Amino acid sequence: SYELTQPLSVSVALGQTATITCGGDNIGSRPVHWYHQKPGQAPVLVIYRNTNRPSGIPERLSGSNSGNTATLTISSAQVGDEGDYSCQVWDSTTHVVFGGGTKLTVL
Amino acid sequence: EVQLVESGGGLVQPGGSLRLSCAASGFTFSSYAMTWVRQAPGKGLEWVSSVNGGGSRTYYADSVKGRFTISRDNPENTLYLQMNSLRIEDTAVYYCARDEDFDFWSGLSDHWGQGTLVTVSP
Repeated sequence: SYELTQPLSVSVALGQTATITCGGDNIGSRPVHWYHQKPGQAPVLVIYRNTNRPSGIPERLSGSNSGNTATLTISSAQVGDEGDYSCQVWDSTTHVVFGGGTKLTVL
Repeated sequence: EVQLVESGGGLVQPGGSLRLSCAASGFTFSSYAMTWVRQAPGKGLEWVSSVNGGGSRTYYADSVKGRFTISRDNPENTLYLQMNSLRIEDTAVYYCARDEDFDFWSGLSDHWGQGTLVTVSP
């Protein structure tokens, strides 16, 4: 079955740039979606199909995907960006695959 | 505004059953596939099951296949998850989510409910 690997945690200084990675075998050939989840709240879609932002998501969030790594980049990190970020792909066998999630802390 | 409101969670003993509901509003319910995703305490998201917009095609994770049944009532704008033979490892918050299209083909869920907690314990 297809697996996605994310770092457990990432820390970033206030106002700096955070990068969260999502590793998978040739993940660059698959569309990747990213969700943000604050404690006690539901996930929110923040990036879809590698690079697209839903309405209401700030331009500070961007995504890329190539080779074996997809990346979510958060520029000018703010306290409101804290929480868990999960990547997701479609797999023809297991359908929906999520990464384990990365906890972002803004220092 | 898209709204998804889950209900039906609670405490149940191992081997027991529970039916979750998800009331949808703010969009044409029958035009979208719907999905259940769960999150065990302190763990990541896990896809559970999906159904296409018409209700004719259903999909399940191996971990719940044969025990859970997804269904929908389009006139009532409601999604269901019937959970039988529950196990301790089914303990989680269960979210319903709207998919991007009528068919379940991308796994992209663009709106999520707030979730309902299911606790399986002796």
